[in-house]
Amino acid sequence: AQSVAQPEDQVNVAEGNPLTVKCTYSVSGNPYLFWYVQYPNRGLQFLLKYITGDNLVKGSYGFEAEFNKSQTSFHLKKPSALVSDSALYFCAVRDNRHNDMRFGAGTRLTVKP
Amino acid sequence: DAMVIQNPRYQVTQFGKPVTLSCSQTLNHNVMYWYQQKSSQAPKLLFHYYDKDFNNEADTPDNFQSRRPNTSFCFLDIRSPGLGDAAMYLCATSRGDRGAYNEQFFGPGTRLTVL
Repeated sequence: AQSVAQPEDQVNVAEGNPLTVKCTYSVSGNPYLFWYVQYPNRGLQFLLKYITGDNLVKGSYGFEAEFNKSQTSFHLKKPSALVSDSALYFCAVRDNRHNDMRFGAGTRLTVKP
Repeated sequence: DAMVIQNPRYQVTQFGKPVTLSCSQTLNHNVMYWYQQKSSQAPKLLFHYYDKDFNNEADTPDNFQSRRPNTSFCFLDIRSPGLGDAAMYLCATSRGDRGAYNEQFFGPGTRLTVL
């Protein structure tokens, strides 16, 4: 079965500092990994995905994520956090055998001025 | 702009009174999904349509049904809402050619309150 884990419920960073939101995954086939962001009372917005190729994936709003096969991780990063990045972040995984996507429990990011 | 639209944004119903939530899309995606999300938890997949092919999750209660009359529209019917069904319901679409790498596009959600 495919699954993802987001070990931190909450991440707090100061504006201008780098941020990392952690994600680890478990799949039986090749992993396809996604990050989504959710603002209050809104749907999820796609940020970036890893399918194959370069392990460093760049996405929307200056976010990037690094795929690490040996550690089965796909951490979300941003070099310099903005207050407007404060939101709920979800990691998700699909494998090449299933048509559905499994989401992690979410990490609430708070960026303080 | 191409998008996923959900109506209404907020729905209040009474315990046991049937309710229908609607989703429409202008993306011309062939896969549509319904998720239930409670209190900032992970979205939980209820079912999805791959074209007209309906796929129900094993743990989705029988109280939840869905209809997809055409490519653009999909409905979620809750036959007898209980207090535990109060949640945000998210509709999503993706371009599917049985490829697992296509991201999903989400609507803004419908927040359901059950009195």
